[in-house]
Amino acid sequence: EAGVTQSPTHLIKTRGQQATLRCSPISGHTSVYWYQQALGLGLQFLLWYDEGEERNRGNFPPRFSGRQFPNYSSELNVNALELEDSALYLCASSPFSTRSYNEQFFGPGTRLTVL
Amino acid sequence: GNSVTQMEGPVTLSEEAFLTINCTYTATGYPSLFWYVQYPGEGLQLLLKATKADDKGSNKGFEATYRKETTSFHLEKGSVQVSDSAVYFCALSLQTGANNLFFGTGTRLTVIP
Repeated sequence: EAGVTQSPTHLIKTRGQQATLRCSPISGHTSVYWYQQALGLGLQFLLWYDEGEERNRGNFPPRFSGRQFPNYSSELNVNALELEDSALYLCASSPFSTRSYNEQFFGPGTRLTVL
Repeated sequence: GNSVTQMEGPVTLSEEAFLTINCTYTATGYPSLFWYVQYPGEGLQLLLKATKADDKGSNKGFEATYRKETTSFHLEKGSVQVSDSAVYFCALSLQTGANNLFFGTGTRLTVIP
């Protein structure tokens, strides 16, 4: 069974540009989560999508947005890039459930560098 | 608010040494608790979990007990191996339907032969 996949592996942008990151969940999983792993800040929750809807959002500005497609894959868009957006962006998937002990399966991440 | 505080790293141990990585949490309600591990060049993997007070999660020789009275979930292993070298993250998830994980900052463990 294929795991969570993310593309691209690396992305280099300049300040003010837009970045688009993609994620394909494990087959059968309907929930997709996005996390930012910035140096020295640990892993911060960004967004949670399920069944095409945004279910929850972390403490990030509106220029971080995304969507989930009918096949449950997801896109994270970061507009007006700033230097501090440089980070590893991790996507995770899980079957939808209101049970908090649901395991999330993580992809390898996209390394975004903003110059 | 909801947060996880982890022991600062890095931690360097000799093979077969005893490992403890401290983790304490603050949460509204009763969270589920997790340890994730990130091996070099790989993504995050769930190592173990506990969903209620006094539960003990265990996997690959690692253990952690959910202590509600001390709001802690310390990770332990009796005898570490070189292959255990990785970054370890403590995390919590609330039982409110908002399933996102709150992570600690991670602890880098290096085991030397």
